[in-house]
Amino acid sequence: DGGITQSPKYLFRKEGQNVTLSCEQNLNHDAMYWYRQDPGQGLRLIYYSQIVNDFQKGDIAEGYSVSREKKESFPLTVTSAQKNPTAFYLCASTGSYTEAFFGQGTRLTVV
Amino acid sequence: AQSVTQLDSQVPVFEEAPVELRCNYSSSVSVYLFWYVQYPNQGLQLLLKYLSGSTLVKGINGFEAEFNKSQTSFHLRKPSVHISDTAEYFCAVTRTGANNLFFGTGTRLTVIP
Repeated sequence: DGGITQSPKYLFRKEGQNVTLSCEQNLNHDAMYWYRQDPGQGLRLIYYSQIVNDFQKGDIAEGYSVSREKKESFPLTVTSAQKNPTAFYLCASTGSYTEAFFGQGTRLTVV
Repeated sequence: AQSVTQLDSQVPVFEEAPVELRCNYSSSVSVYLFWYVQYPNQGLQLLLKYLSGSTLVKGINGFEAEFNKSQTSFHLRKPSVHISDTAEYFCAVTRTGANNLFFGTGTRLTVIP
């Protein structure tokens, strides 16, 4: 079954700690995205990548980092510089001229 | 650049009543339009999409949307809602030939028994 897998589903971070959220797709899509979702604010774009070894900042990239070493994988690291990381994080991918496919999300909580 | 406006952040409606969720977009070029649904603590699922052709698009779960180029709108409708339709709905737009989607801020539909 083709799709996008995000892990873990729930993640807890201590103050000052870096954490990495995983996103893997087997749809052979070129483009991948990370969104942050907060109540009442819709989806805000953190980073996106149109091709391997290349990525661009979105609207709220500060405090986050990504890599795109393989077409299938686009991990997101939430660094200690992100002062308010508690949110729901969604990964998505798109092929040419198609809709976006989403993972099931990771809920990150600072403890 | 493209942008999407969903004017209604919350829409309560009684069960079996009709509903319309509004979406307006801005773009100077041809676009593709989408509606997604999100159930609590889940990712987004595609409801329907407009790429070209007929301006009335039918999707899953009895939803449909109409593309109106002159009004730059893509409103979502359902003639009779069910409790299970309670969810958040997102409108999205992309420029034809491009990959990146622009999302609206979402509309929370609550169906009241």
